[in-house]
Amino acid sequence: DTAVSQTPKYLVTQMGNDKSIKCEQNLGHDTMYWYKQDSKKFLKIMFSYNNKELIINETVPNRFSPKSPDKAHLNLHINSLELGDSAVYFCASSQEGESGNTIYFGEGSWLTVV
Amino acid sequence: GQNIDQPTEMTATEGAIVQINCTYQTSGFNGLFWYQQHAGEAPTFLSYNVLDGLEEKGRFSSFLSRSKGYSYLLLKELQMKDSASYLCAVPNSGYALNFGKGTSLLVTP
Repeated sequence: DTAVSQTPKYLVTQMGNDKSIKCEQNLGHDTMYWYKQDSKKFLKIMFSYNNKELIINETVPNRFSPKSPDKAHLNLHINSLELGDSAVYFCASSQEGESGNTIYFGEGSWLTVV
Repeated sequence: GQNIDQPTEMTATEGAIVQINCTYQTSGFNGLFWYQQHAGEAPTFLSYNVLDGLEEKGRFSSFLSRSKGYSYLLLKELQMKDSASYLCAVPNSGYALNFGKGTSLLVTP
């Protein structure tokens, strides 16, 4: 009965490959997110997706694209992977009005690009 | 933009009290959050302050002063399991939270 779940948890892949990380939430939340946490542990927003409105952090390369088949899913697709993409990617969700839009995180996906 | 500052590292002794400070600059304040993140795990929600004052929740309390752009997280009766990173965050102009760089707390015996 995991609230926010993402797969895979660990992913090792070569430079230049294309990969996807899947995320699902069963909380009935309206908004989903992707965050990136780098080696210095800085947690940075990449995308917010609410009722088909996508808000993109302008620093995110266009090799990264979120795809939302429905309100409960927000997948992250990454093209032409680079070494610098190695990080932990967290999916999250929230519901407007619940404790100020408290965000709940998935367990993270550890991506290593070699 | 937003600027969130918190100390990088702190060390405290088991059973003691520790205060982790956070200062922020933001336009249009919509509350301040604290999250806890253990190594190798996801951040988990600790507290949310939108009004000035102290909110107590068990061994953890969070304080907010909107006029000073200042918050702190107070941890009492420290336990070894409290060793973690503590993240201060404020909502941005969209739906997301912007996080500080986190304070790594080490609790020693």
